[in-house]
Amino acid sequence: NAGVTQTPKFQVLKTGQSMTLQCAQDMNHEYMSWYRQDPGMGLRLIHYSVGAGITDQGEVPNGYNVSRSTTEDFPLRLLSAAPSQTSVYFCASSLFDLNTEAFFGQGTRLTVV
Amino acid sequence: RKEVEQDPGPFNVPEGATVAFNCTYSNSASQSFFWYRQDCRKEPKLLMSVYSSGNEDGRFTAQLNRASQYISLLIRDSKLSDSATYLCVVNRGNTDKLIFGTGTRLQVFP
Repeated sequence: NAGVTQTPKFQVLKTGQSMTLQCAQDMNHEYMSWYRQDPGMGLRLIHYSVGAGITDQGEVPNGYNVSRSTTEDFPLRLLSAAPSQTSVYFCASSLFDLNTEAFFGQGTRLTVV
Repeated sequence: RKEVEQDPGPFNVPEGATVAFNCTYSNSASQSFFWYRQDCRKEPKLLMSVYSSGNEDGRFTAQLNRASQYISLLIRDSKLSDSATYLCVVNRGNTDKLIFGTGTRLQVFP
């Protein structure tokens, strides 16, 4: 049972480069989200989606784009990487219910130089 | 004021000890409360939800105090394997967005 799969696990980018972080879930969850985790700060919501074709911004959306063409996939695109985007990124999915468990992918450690 | 605040620790306790963590939240409209556990360089995983009447899962007990806007986690008979960071998670007001605390680090030593 795969759960939430994120790729890649590690990435180094040069400033100005673009890339896509992949996220896929096989639990048929409606709700998917992307977070970043930085030292001394809690996980912060970047973008989220409540279903295929629907996306919305979280707390820190600038510099990132998302799309949700299928229930399973929710890629995160960095348009022009900046050193401030060096972070650990987590994708999460859950049923669309306030009280249910969020399942996280293993994370992507991104360094922008 | 942060929406969710936790003591970052670390809490260093011997095996078998009882340890308690508190977390305060700022939005009185919040309805959902959780404790997640995060091991070093790993993803967060749900430890337990927190219900109004309080709830217990083995050695772990969670309490909610709506009047004072805090939740707590009590770990009894600590094990080495309990060493991790414990994240307090609350939904933002009447929304479905989750707000994560910065975490409290627990280190259990032999």
